[in-house]
Amino acid sequence: GENVEQHPSTLSVQEGDSAVIKCTYSDSASNYFPWYKQELGKRPQLIIDIRSNVGEKKDQRIAVTLNKTAKHFSLHITETQPEDSAVYFCAASSQAGTALIFGKGTTLSVSS
Amino acid sequence: GAVVSQHPSRVICKSGTSVKIECRSLDFQATTMFWYRQFPKKSLMLMATSNEGSKATYEQGVEKDKFLINHASLTLSTLTVTSAHPEDSSFYICSAITGTSNQPQHFGDGTRLSIL
Repeated sequence: GENVEQHPSTLSVQEGDSAVIKCTYSDSASNYFPWYKQELGKRPQLIIDIRSNVGEKKDQRIAVTLNKTAKHFSLHITETQPEDSAVYFCAASSQAGTALIFGKGTTLSVSS
Repeated sequence: GAVVSQHPSRVICKSGTSVKIECRSLDFQATTMFWYRQFPKKSLMLMATSNEGSKATYEQGVEKDKFLINHASLTLSTLTVTSAHPEDSSFYICSAITGTSNQPQHFGDGTRLSIL
């Protein structure tokens, strides 16, 4: 089955800096890669996703890149703000709407 | 749109009690719902996939007789933790999708279960 590895487990940056979180996956059949932000005790919130027919997607300060050959995808947050502090999870599935396999999460701390 | 409601948000009960958690899609019909479990500071682990009108598919290592899942309608799935013990204490989260393919999952707010 699918296995998703996520690094780093913790990331501390200064406000205004960029943050990058990387994930690798094992199943070449996976085609859908969402990123979720989760605050303590809350539901995961979808912040951006990418499908296998696209190499990069951007939404304001957030971007995701996908390298299907290498089976890795990354989340890029630019101009970080304290409210970006949360746990971020990457995930993979064979297509959107099927069961997600999550990475272990990255705790992002943005200090002002 | 695409709101998923999960109830209750928090449960504290004694060991041996059975606890039912509800997951409802409020403004769409959910052909498939997923149940995840999340331990403190850990990732979400898929427990089972629930399709309306059929038996749930459980992930390896998840006891189907302990975690009973029912998906009797297109807007409601329930997870019952039977004879709960302290090790069952966790954060349980459901998610739902419509029949349309290639659409993201919509998560409920989660249920914090604490077994004393």
